[in-house]
Amino acid sequence: EPEVTQTPSHQVTQMGQEVILRCVPISNHLYFYWYRQILGQKVEFLVSFYNNEISEKSEIFDDQFSVERPDGSNFTLKIRSTKLEDSAMYFCASTALPGTVNNEQFFGPGTRLTVL
Amino acid sequence: GIQVEQSPPDLILQEGANSTLRCNFSDSVNNLQWFHQNPWGQLINLFYIPSGTKQNGRLSATTVATERYSLLYISSSQTTDSGVYFCAVEPLNAGGTSYGKLTFGQGTILTVHP
Repeated sequence: EPEVTQTPSHQVTQMGQEVILRCVPISNHLYFYWYRQILGQKVEFLVSFYNNEISEKSEIFDDQFSVERPDGSNFTLKIRSTKLEDSAMYFCASTALPGTVNNEQFFGPGTRLTVL
Repeated sequence: GIQVEQSPPDLILQEGANSTLRCNFSDSVNNLQWFHQNPWGQLINLFYIPSGTKQNGRLSATTVATERYSLLYISSSQTTDSGVYFCAVEPLNAGGTSYGKLTFGQGTILTVHP
């Protein structure tokens, strides 16, 4: 069964460093997402991406964040200068086509980011 | 934006007991999914259920879209059922473009004791 994969599973970084989280969505899916979950809290939407453009983003997704689909399979989230409060679990998700009957979202296993 | 409320916030059961988790949402939805977050933090898809009833083994779910709620039933609970259960919804964007953003509830923390 196709699945969303994410690397690395854990990332530890120093405050102020740049990090790139990587995801491989399901191959025939068109929409891609990043969500994050601070420890003990609910999962929050960060950004959606379609056709090489951001289609929607939350207030959390400020200028420190960027997303990219550098090739036909990978989808990345970059945090330019990490802060302590960026420590969280980051989930990638993908779906075939939102707003239709094929809009189930499939989530990756997550990357746990720790900023020291 | 759409509001999602889950109840109860915490639930403690003995192994073998049955339970019902509830998800209320404030607007019509195009998508509703139930997830189980395991001890390693992974979100496991349980059900994609914007309406109707589905069953998968000991778990079943029902969404009554017209009344804006969904229920997750766990029968004969096992210790491996412990974890956090999340409901997530995508609002029905009548006349507009949907990008699929899911809004999550706060979750129900389930603890099953042997």
